[in-house]
Amino acid sequence: DIRMTQSPSSLSASVGDRITITCRASQDIRNNLAWFQQKPGKAPTSLIYAISSSSSQSGVPSKFSGSGSGTDFTLTISSLQPEDFATYYCQQYSIYPWTFGQGTKVEIK
Amino acid sequence: EVQLLESGGGLAQPGGSLRLSCAASRITFSNYVMSWVRQAPGKGLEWVASISGSGNSTSYVDSVKGRFTISRDNSKNTLYLQMNSLRAEDTAVYYCVLVVIRWGQGTLVTVSS
Repeated sequence: DIRMTQSPSSLSASVGDRITITCRASQDIRNNLAWFQQKPGKAPTSLIYAISSSSSQSGVPSKFSGSGSGTDFTLTISSLQPEDFATYYCQQYSIYPWTFGQGTKVEIK
Repeated sequence: EVQLLESGGGLAQPGGSLRLSCAASRITFSNYVMSWVRQAPGKGLEWVASISGSGNSTSYVDSVKGRFTISRDNSKNTLYLQMNSLRAEDTAVYYCVLVVIRWGQGTLVTVSS
């Protein structure tokens, strides 16, 4: 199975900060990576998929951007707002079984 | 906007069965891979199973192989997950997911005696 490793597991940041979350795959997944946001008690929502093209879900603010291909990927939030404090997950959908990273919890400093 | 609405969750005894459903609307359902993803209380996300648009191809995480069956009825725009031989570790919120694009609101499955 492909192992997805996110870092950091958690981070504290302030409103207005720029943050980057990384996701590393244990083998080449080309650009078949997606990022999700999950707020407490809510279903995840999709942010970005087909990562190298930075394809974004309609309605997702442009402050969310993704990059990478192969095994190393990043999610960047350019200017944190209060509604962005949440847990973020990456997922590879290149090879079954599809696998998720362990999540990155973004908290208010 | 695409809508996914899960149902069928609830309390089941160990060894029991449940059938989850996910009704999709505002999409050409048969065009898309559909999946079930679960989240145990306080834990991360775990992919459970996927099915091709035609329904001819399925994949499962090892922990549910032989116990869970994913299926779909494209005439009804509905996805299913038949869960048999349930275990306590299957307790989770189960989400229906359209490709990696859209998530349902989830349905809670609790396996307990």
